[in-house]
Amino acid sequence: QLQLQESGPGLVKPSETLSLTCTVSGGSIISSSYYWGWIRQPPGKGLEWIGSIYYSGSTYYNPSLKSRVTISVDTSKNHFSLKLSSVTAADTAVYYCARLWRSGSGSPGINWFDPWGQGTLVTVSS
Amino acid sequence: EIVLTQSPGTLSLSPGERATLSCRASQSVSSSYLAWYQQKPGQAPRLLIYGASSRATGIPDRFSGSGSGTDFTLTISRLEPDDFAVYYCQQYGSSPLTFGGGTKVEIK
Repeated sequence: QLQLQESGPGLVKPSETLSLTCTVSGGSIISSSYYWGWIRQPPGKGLEWIGSIYYSGSTYYNPSLKSRVTISVDTSKNHFSLKLSSVTAADTAVYYCARLWRSGSGSPGINWFDPWGQGTLVTVSS
Repeated sequence: EIVLTQSPGTLSLSPGERATLSCRASQSVSSSYLAWYQQKPGQAPRLLIYGASSRATGIPDRFSGSGSGTDFTLTISRLEPDDFAVYYCQQYGSSPLTFGGGTKVEIK
């Protein structure tokens, strides 16, 4: 059974870079069938797609965050990572990682998410 | 960007009742590329429906999805106590993929 687990600092100072890793277990990140993605949810609010990556390193970002986001993959460690630069209080959220199917969508890099990691709360505060 | 509007914001129903949740898109969602998720407090969302009407693995048949174009519906035929949660729709027909604002189904 595939499982995803987010890890990283729970507190980041304003203007610094948020860094998270999603470790995949129970399956390989190297698959032609899937993308791997990040989604966030501010406390009490809705969901926002951050971006997705294919195991080859191809990335797809939400334009609203693209200038600050870098997603990378390390196939040797079976994990992928998120970096979000110049954070502000508005970036405080629960950050989720998830798997996406690679086929059957309207555009590369997007699809439905299943399964999801449990999520990790990142607070931006000095 | 496709904006998804979910209604109502809150649905107050009793166990055993039927729940009908709406998701309206600001423009047509190509090929019915729409998914539904359930989220309970403190938990990650769980995929219920993809392709507008296909149930995900392990999802009970009391959950059904329908619709096309700009209007989509999630129906829970008979609410069970475990179904009281927040439900989100999500489109993946065009990038960026977007989510609706959610509908909370609460116990009346």
